[in-house]
Amino acid sequence: GEDVEQSLFLSVREGDSSVINCTYTDSSSTYLYWYKQEPGAGLQLLTYIFSNMDMKQDQRLTVLLNKKDKHLSLRIADTQTGDSAIYFCAEDIGANNLFFGTGTRLTVIP
Amino acid sequence: KAGVTQTPRYLIKTRGQQVTLSCSPISGHRSVSWYQQTPGQGLQFLFEYFSETQRNKGNFPGRFSGRQFSNSRSEMNVSTLELGDSALYLCASSPLSGGETQYFGPGTRLLVL
Repeated sequence: GEDVEQSLFLSVREGDSSVINCTYTDSSSTYLYWYKQEPGAGLQLLTYIFSNMDMKQDQRLTVLLNKKDKHLSLRIADTQTGDSAIYFCAEDIGANNLFFGTGTRLTVIP
Repeated sequence: KAGVTQTPRYLIKTRGQQVTLSCSPISGHRSVSWYQQTPGQGLQFLFEYFSETQRNKGNFPGRFSGRQFSNSRSEMNVSTLELGDSALYLCASSPLSGGETQYFGPGTRLLVL
């Protein structure tokens, strides 16, 4: 069955880059997503990548996709305290069924 | 454009009761998906509706049901509530069914006592 794995925690200093990693199992996923969740809130779509792309850049966010290794990463440049949140990667396994990872809690140290 | 709205935002029920949650998608979006988020199980897909039809269903018991109206608004119902149903219920909307970016609402936090 599907599985999406992420590290549970990541701490970085303000101004440094953060890299959040994700591995997935369903090679047929068309899109892969990154969502952000702040305490007590819903999910905010950060970015997504089409499965035939290797990289996508969107302002401070860079998504890298290694389809061979089924590895997805999200790099946040110049990490700010407002970036502290839980980050979820997700794969679309069909008909708007998103399979989510466990989430990585990012803590930004001032 | 207004985002996805969910009502109510918070709800307290007791075991054995039933509950109905509502979701209004982004204007023009026809697909609504529902997810359950718990600390133990994480985010899990419940079901997806498109044009008033359930297109996809996750691995949840029959106590969990939903429907979609002609204006794309959706409701989900949980009957005979159990303590383990305490969770954040999120709905997401997208323009079409499949392969489209989903936008999430703020969620309804349900506490079952």
